[in-house]
Amino acid sequence: NAGVMQNPRHLVRRRGQEARLRCSPMKGHSHVYWYRQLPEEGLKFMVYLQKENIIDESGMPKERFSAEFPKEGPSILRIQQVVRGDSAAYFCASSPRSGVTEAFFGQGTRLTVV
Amino acid sequence: AQRVTQPEKLLSVFKGAPVELKCNYSYSGSPELFWYVQYSRQRLQLLLRHISRESIKGFTADLNKGETSFHLKKPFAQEEDSAMYYCALSGPGGYQKVTFGTGTKLQVIP
Repeated sequence: NAGVMQNPRHLVRRRGQEARLRCSPMKGHSHVYWYRQLPEEGLKFMVYLQKENIIDESGMPKERFSAEFPKEGPSILRIQQVVRGDSAAYFCASSPRSGVTEAFFGQGTRLTVV
Repeated sequence: AQRVTQPEKLLSVFKGAPVELKCNYSYSGSPELFWYVQYSRQRLQLLLRHISRESIKGFTADLNKGETSFHLKKPFAQEEDSAMYYCALSGPGGYQKVTFGTGTKLQVIP
């Protein structure tokens, strides 16, 4: 089991472009969580998804951000029209059932907006 | 609102010295507290949780509700303990509301 895979590890986008971050959960895991870490800050919860369902998106910015976890394929965090303030590390975690304390984290995607 | 405060960005100790990584929290109710660790070039992983009352790699943490603290301790630091340590709190709604602190980098000097 390769663990939670995130790609790309590093992503550079110009202001106004779109960023797509991918997260492949561990085999057998159907719960995915996304966290964002801004410079000098802790990890902040963004969204919790199960296959084909968004369970809790209370941490997602209201505009430009969206997430999905389709029946097949990885979970995608999409940021439209990126701005400099979106530069951060984005972490994904997966678990086989409810309870992020039993979740396994990916190595993160570092997004830089220039 | 729930908040986790780790006052030290960097903590340097000599090998064999005691370690205490501070964590204070703000939460109205009965939280669940955790410590996560991230070794160099590795992913974040759960170190321990207060409800388990366990000792992992020699580390322990006691929840002090009166002082709203959950400090991580180890009597004798080892070089391999050098890493980033994050304190985290879970509140209502359970798991998906886990709030992390800003982290403390522990540097063990040989």
